[in-house]
Amino acid sequence: GENVEQHPSTLSVQEGDSAVIKCTYSDSASNYFPWYKQELGKRPQLIIDIRSNVGEKKDQRIAVTLNKTAKHFSLHITETQPEDSAVYFCAASKRWSQGNLIFGKGTKLSVKP
Amino acid sequence: GAGVSQSPSNKVTEKGKDVELRCDPISGHTALYWYRQSLGQGLEFLIYFQGNSAPDKSGLPSDRFSAERTGGSVSTLTIQRTQQEDSAVYLCASSFTMGEKLFFGSGTQLSVL
Repeated sequence: GENVEQHPSTLSVQEGDSAVIKCTYSDSASNYFPWYKQELGKRPQLIIDIRSNVGEKKDQRIAVTLNKTAKHFSLHITETQPEDSAVYFCAASKRWSQGNLIFGKGTKLSVKP
Repeated sequence: GAGVSQSPSNKVTEKGKDVELRCDPISGHTALYWYRQSLGQGLEFLIYFQGNSAPDKSGLPSDRFSAERTGGSVSTLTIQRTQQEDSAVYLCASSFTMGEKLFFGSGTQLSVL
């Protein structure tokens, strides 16, 4: 089955700096890669996703890149703000054929004012 | 309701007892997922239902765990003969179909004494 590795497990940045979280997946058939944000005591929420037919997607201060050859995808947050502090999870699935979503172990991002 | 509803929100039980956790997905969502989140840990996939297809049970940790989804809507996760290591937050999520945005419930905090 699919296995998703996520690094780093913790990340501390200064407000205004950029943050990058990296994930690798094992199943080359995976084609859907979402990112979820979980604030303390709250439920995870989707912040951005990318499908395997594109290499990059951007939404304001967040962007995701995908390298299918290397089976690697990354989340980039620019101009970080204290409210970006949360745990971020990457995930992978084979959309249209097998929908179960396998998550990485998460990255705890702390943005210091 | 407007979102995914889980009950109970908290459950305290004694080791060896059986527990049932309920999830009411968003109306019209065909895909339903159960995940387990231990304190400070990631989202561990348990089971996935998609429409009338056979569920993907590949994430269930032991035969003490089972789940069903009646009428393509409400789902119940049952843990028999609970153990202390079962203590965690059990999260349910639903999506319109496979490979789409997941909407999470607020979870059931299970404590096994």
